[in-house]
Amino acid sequence: AQSVTQLGSHVSVSEGALVLLRCNYSSSVPPYLFWYVQYPNQGLQLLLKYTSAATLVKGINGFEAEFKKSETSFHLTKPSAHMSDAAEYFCAVSDLNTNAGKSTFGDGTTLTVKP
Amino acid sequence: DAGVTQSPTHLIKTRGQQVTLRCSPKSGHDTVSWYQQALGQGPQFIFQYYEEEERQRGNFPDRFSGHQFPNYSSELNVNALLLGDSALYLCASSGTAKNIQYFGAGTRLSVL
Repeated sequence: AQSVTQLGSHVSVSEGALVLLRCNYSSSVPPYLFWYVQYPNQGLQLLLKYTSAATLVKGINGFEAEFKKSETSFHLTKPSAHMSDAAEYFCAVSDLNTNAGKSTFGDGTTLTVKP
Repeated sequence: DAGVTQSPTHLIKTRGQQVTLRCSPKSGHDTVSWYQQALGQGPQFIFQYYEEEERQRGNFPDRFSGHQFPNYSSELNVNALLLGDSALYLCASSGTAKNIQYFGAGTRLSVL
């Protein structure tokens, strides 16, 4: 069975500061990993994905994440936070084979950006 | 190019009623997955449809059923609604790359 743990349900940073959102996963097979962003009253927007190629993945809006197999982690970072980054962020895991398209999500991290 | 569209946006039902939610996938996508997102939680996988058949199912009771039409659009049906079914229901579509899913804005269901 796959699972995702997002450490910290709420993260608050100042505008211009580093954003770090933590995600650890559990998977019995090589995983596909995703970060999504959800703005109020909206669906999920894909930020970036790891699909077994480069371990450092760059996404939209200046976000990136690094896949670390030894630590079973896929933390999301952004060098400089912007007010528009305030949203809910979800980490998700799935595998290619038997469960293709069935993603398991973490409980989310709410990012607040202070002016 | 329209993305994933869901209808209705909001819905209010009472306990015991039945509800049908609808989803049109992104152009070129043939696979539709449904997720339930309770308040303050991450989405939970309900089931996935491909070639008009249910291919995978999450840990949801039989009250949750679905259908996929020849044009790849899909419906989610929930019978005998419970208060706990109140949630945002998200539809996601994918094409050849089944794991790359595009999500709709969701239908918010309130059960009173």
